[in-house]
Amino acid sequence: AQKVTQAQTEISVVEKEDVTLDCVYETRDTTYYLFWYKQPPSGELVFLIRRNSFDEQNEISGRYSWNFQKSTSSFNFTITASQVVDSAVYFCALSEASQGAQKLVFGQGTRLTINP
Amino acid sequence: GAVVSQHPSWVICKSGTSVKIECRSLDFQATTMFWYRQFPKQSLMLMATSNEGSKATYEQGVEKDKFLINHASLTLSTLTVTSAHPEDSSFYICSAREHSVGNQPQHFGDGTRLSIL
Repeated sequence: AQKVTQAQTEISVVEKEDVTLDCVYETRDTTYYLFWYKQPPSGELVFLIRRNSFDEQNEISGRYSWNFQKSTSSFNFTITASQVVDSAVYFCALSEASQGAQKLVFGQGTRLTINP
Repeated sequence: GAVVSQHPSWVICKSGTSVKIECRSLDFQATTMFWYRQFPKQSLMLMATSNEGSKATYEQGVEKDKFLINHASLTLSTLTVTSAHPEDSSFYICSAREHSVGNQPQHFGDGTRLSIL
């Protein structure tokens, strides 16, 4: 069965600090997809990144970077030089190819607060 | 980019009322749409998968007679909460995918906050 664990329920840092959000997943599939979404206080879900299981290259997009490690089943997200606007709940999610890659299973979310 | 519009964004109604929520893909066709429910400070839980032209597939524990889903066109899915009660109060979010290809991300609507008095 697929499962996503975000052990950090809440994180609070001061602006300009770097912060890493952890995500650990469980799946029996060899083909799967990993996602990160941001949910600001207004409620909408903003897509940040997707990764397929065959692509372990780390990715950097501006201040955001993602570290995919199949050996530890982790897909961690780092924000460099955090800003107040980064405050939101961040969700890691997984979908499996055997499920038609249709179902998204979300982690519990990490509430990130960036203090000025 | 792919835009999903959800309406209404906020509903307050009396217990026993039925409430319809619309989910539209504005600039792409979505053969599949998804409906999620999110309680305060909790994660998103998939309620059902809506397939254009066919019956929705409901997740275990979700009452299909309570949460009616209709996906009449490639750009519109509706969720009707029938005879809503206070315990149905929640944040409902829909999503849609452009193609039935594995690595396409789901694009989410802005959500609907439903409050039943």
